Amino acid sequence: DSGVTQTPKHLITATGQRVTLRCSPRSGDLSVYWYQQSLDQGLQFLIQYYNGEERAKGNILERFSAQQFPDLHSELNLSSLELGDSALYFCASSVDTSGGNEQFFGPGTRLTVL
Amino acid sequence: TQLLEQSPQFLSIQEGENLTVYCNSSSVFSSLQWYRQEPGEGPVLLVTVVTGGEVKKLKRLTFQFGDARKDSSLHITAAQPGDTGLYLCAGSDTNAGKSTFGDGTTLTVKP
Repeated sequence: DSGVTQTPKHLITATGQRVTLRCSPRSGDLSVYWYQQSLDQGLQFLIQYYNGEERAKGNILERFSAQQFPDLHSELNLSSLELGDSALYFCASSVDTSGGNEQFFGPGTRLTVL
Repeated sequence: TQLLEQSPQFLSIQEGENLTVYCNSSSVFSSLQWYRQEPGEGPVLLVTVVTGGEVKKLKRLTFQFGDARKDSSLHITAAQPGDTGLYLCAGSDTNAGKSTFGDGTTLTVKP
């Protein structure tokens, strides 16, 4: 158990819909990262937050947005969903953003768009 | 943009064999992490290497960081079916404050 929690574990929805994925980091970790992993593909970095502020952006679509709240939990919002958005979405947390950036991953949310 | 290339992409071996997988980049990293991921689960951190030339051992796994801190290797001795999984390397950049992940090596160890 990494200490990172993600809900829900599975999500099935239809094209055009909007969903929210939730992540709670390990106790004491200030950074939260979101990744997308499609079938047989590596981890695609989406976005990072540090102590409530956006820190880095990856290949995140404009239909996707995220935020980190004062209690440090984070939400990833996916809107106008397309079939191609079906994937595993992982959240990870780390203590800080300095060298030795060890990330601890949650169990993921499997999103299926029908 | 910092890129990490992992090779081979796929590796299938018999139980008891040795193997080495590689993680290469043209960029210098302040540190490098190795993770193992099983299907449907999140990656699990195996090790962090920080110093150029550093070697770390974790039971049958040996990790090495290149002298120039641009590349790394993972060697597994006497592989077991439980070693099966996706091995990911990630390079950390202190200045950018983030990590770059490679696409991974999918290892299958057959009993």
